[in-house]
Amino acid sequence: GENVEQHPSTLSVQEGDSAVIKCTYSDSASNYFPWYKQELGKRPQLIIDIRSNVGEKKDQRIAVTLNKTAKHFSLHITETQPEDSAVYFCAASVYSGGYQKVTFGTGTKLQVIP
Amino acid sequence: SQTIHQWPATLVQPVGSPLSLECTVEGTSNPNLYWYRQAAGRGLQLLFYSVGIGQISSEVPQNLSASRPQDRQFILSSKKLLLSDSGFYLCAWSRPLDYGYTFGSGTRLTVV
Repeated sequence: GENVEQHPSTLSVQEGDSAVIKCTYSDSASNYFPWYKQELGKRPQLIIDIRSNVGEKKDQRIAVTLNKTAKHFSLHITETQPEDSAVYFCAASVYSGGYQKVTFGTGTKLQVIP
Repeated sequence: SQTIHQWPATLVQPVGSPLSLECTVEGTSNPNLYWYRQAAGRGLQLLFYSVGIGQISSEVPQNLSASRPQDRQFILSSKKLLLSDSGFYLCAWSRPLDYGYTFGSGTRLTVV
């Protein structure tokens, strides 16, 4: 089955700096890669996603890149703000047996220091 | 618009007691439904998924079961809770043949 590895597990940055979270996946059939942000005690919320036919996608301060050949994808947050502090999960998804099989990474706890 | 409801928000149950968590989706039909568990400080583990009424698939053999008695209702149950069942339980839905999950607000279960 799919295996998603995520690094680093914790990340501290100064406010205004950039943060990068990296993930690798094992199943070349995976074709959709969402990123979720989970604030303490809350549900994970989708912040950005990318499909396998796209190499990069940007939404304001957040961008995601995908390298299908190397099977890795990354989340980039620029000009970080204290409200960016949360746990971020990457995921790799493939349709199998009529449903969307999503495998999550283990999460990165991001702390933005004011 | 579509909304997902999950309850209760928190639950404290003694070891050996039964469990029933409910999830409903509004504003769509024939959704794919999922139950995830998140242990404290850990990632998301898929427990069950369903592509239709009465159709349940289990990803991890355990002390839990799931049922889908109606199109937009998904229930997570246990006959006898274990301490290891403690965690944050999340229901999610997605459109068939489409990508992207939407999670419910979660139930924090503490087994004592």
